[in-house]
Order: sequence, then C-alpha cells, then structure tokens
Amino acid sequence: DGGITQSPKYLFRKEGQNVTLSCEQNLNHDAMYWYRQDPGQGLRLIYYSQIVNDFQKGDIAEGYSVSREKKESFPLTVTSAQKNPTAFYLCASSPLGSTDTQYFGPGTRLTVL
Amino acid sequence: QQQVKQSPQSLIVQKGGISIINCAYENTAFDYFPWYQQFPGKGPALLIAIRPDVSEKKEGRFTISFNKSAKQFSLHIMDSQPGDSATYFCAAVSGAGGGADGLTFGKGTHLIIQP
Repeated sequence: DGGITQSPKYLFRKEGQNVTLSCEQNLNHDAMYWYRQDPGQGLRLIYYSQIVNDFQKGDIAEGYSVSREKKESFPLTVTSAQKNPTAFYLCASSPLGSTDTQYFGPGTRLTVL
Repeated sequence: QQQVKQSPQSLIVQKGGISIINCAYENTAFDYFPWYQQFPGKGPALLIAIRPDVSEKKEGRFTISFNKSAKQFSLHIMDSQPGDSATYFCAAVSGAGGGADGLTFGKGTHLIIQP
C-alpha cells in the first residue's frame, strides 16, 4: 500500500521542548517537503529536500530543523526556538522529474501546552 | 508578499449550483497551477491542474479557467454536491530549477454546499 505516512497524528509538547515529527514515503519519490498550515493562512513551506543528504530552507524555516539521511524519510524537528509552534504540519513528496505534482501525507497536529 | 491571492475566503452554494473560486498570481515565472481539495483533519489532495499553454481544462465537474495576460485562474465546480464541501487551495510553482522548491499556496476557500 503506497503512500506517505506521518506520525503521530496528534502531538502535545510543553514549552521549551524539542519535538520531532516523522514523515515516511514508499513512493520512491526524490523530493520531500514540509509545510505548516494555520487557519486562514494556507500552507507555508518550511523545508524541502531534493536528494538525500541535501535540503533547503523554505519561507518559514526559523525554529525548525530537518535531516534527510534516507530517501524514504524526512523528519522535522520543531525546536524550542520556534515561537508559535502550534499548527497542523503536512509532509509531501514528489518525483524529481515531476516536482510540480506533490502528494501529501495525512498531517500531524502539534499543540504546545 | 503574498504571491498567490485567493478569493473568496468562504463560499456557500446550493446543491446543484456552480461554485467559483478565483486566484491571482504575481510571479510570471509560475508555469504550473494545481488546485488541491482538503477535508477536515486530512492532507490536501490534488484535484486538477493546468499549465499556461491552455486556457481551460475540464475533468468531470471540475474546470480550471486560465487567463495568462491577467495572471488569473479560477476553479469552477459544476452541479455542486454536499460531498464537495471542503477547503480548496490554489497553488503555483515555477519549473525553473526543476520546480522542486515547493508550491506557493493561496490562503484557501472554505466551501459549503447546502443540500
């Protein structure tokens, strides 16, 4: 069953803690992305990666970090430096030759207590 | 600077009516314009997309109209059904550099189809 999986679905964090969101894909896609969604704000790009061991900052990278050690995995760490981390986080992937067609995972809702 | 402006923010349409959502862009390097449909608590799913070499694309009840000179594009949902109730996002991307630098999204339209 191919697709993109994100875990956990819901995540609660105390202020000052780092937390890591998981994103895994078995679509053999080269490119992967992280977006943040806030009510009325659409989706904003946090980080993206076109190949293993390489990634680029998006529009709102401050307070976030990523790694791309494997093609299938692109975890996102929300650090304590992120001022307003409560949001819905979406991971996406696309084939490198067709990067305009992105497929999204089901999302992780992060709430800071 | 918002590169893709979407309107309206919310829309209520009677069952069987036509739903129309509009988007305007600023970056002339954009060359691919997808629309995504998102249900509550789910990730967005690609609905239909268009490239600027055509002025219209139709897939079932969904049609994209594209006006390159005005830098505008719109989604029309014909014979709207309650199951179409969702949030719709327009997006744009530039193929320069492989296009792998992510989509630029509009802020979304919350569509409600009343039975």
